[in-house]
Amino acid sequence: GENVEQHPSTLSVQEGDSAVIKCTYSDSASNYFPWYKQELGKRPQLIIDIRSNVGEKKDQRIAVTLNKTAKHFSLHITETQPEDSAVYFCAASLGSSASKIIFGSGTRLSIRP
Amino acid sequence: NAGVTQTPKFRILKIGQSMTLQCTQDMNHNYMYWYRQDPGMGLKLIYYSVGAGITDKGEVPNGYNVSRSTTEDFPLRLELAAPSQTSVYFCASTPSGGANVLTFGAGSRLTVL
Repeated sequence: GENVEQHPSTLSVQEGDSAVIKCTYSDSASNYFPWYKQELGKRPQLIIDIRSNVGEKKDQRIAVTLNKTAKHFSLHITETQPEDSAVYFCAASLGSSASKIIFGSGTRLSIRP
Repeated sequence: NAGVTQTPKFRILKIGQSMTLQCTQDMNHNYMYWYRQDPGMGLKLIYYSVGAGITDKGEVPNGYNVSRSTTEDFPLRLELAAPSQTSVYFCASTPSGGANVLTFGAGSRLTVL
């Protein structure tokens, strides 16, 4: 069926180190892959997104890579800081119209001082 | 612009009661979504709409109904509330064409006792 799988569910890294979160999707027609950050008690906020015609996208300390052949994409956070502690969700649009957007199960990232 | 406005913010229901969660956006977005987020879990798509008069089921539609009579409003109705519907409900919207940033409302926390 249609799904997005996300790993790991929890991740703890030393401040200054890098963090990597991985997602796989099942719909080969998916063409939009956003990443959202959710702080405790808040609504999800977009941090970066990538479309299927691009293999990698960077925004300062955050990067996303996409492998359409393998149907997986990853979030990379470098030089992690305490404010990066949050829950991160990957998502994927389904179908050629990209109207249906489903989310992975989330990764709780903790940054150790 | 107010963005996406959800009401109520909090509600306690008794088993078997019904209620409607309201969602309004003032950005002229055609696409609107309802997600639920159980404690410590990810976002599950309940229903979505690509325009007035058009609605589609998401991943977990059972126990819910929606309507989309205007571009601005996308109410979610719970019939015969059950404890399993205790969750935080997020409404979101995005411009036409999908594959765009989701703007989320602040969420509605519902408890069914």
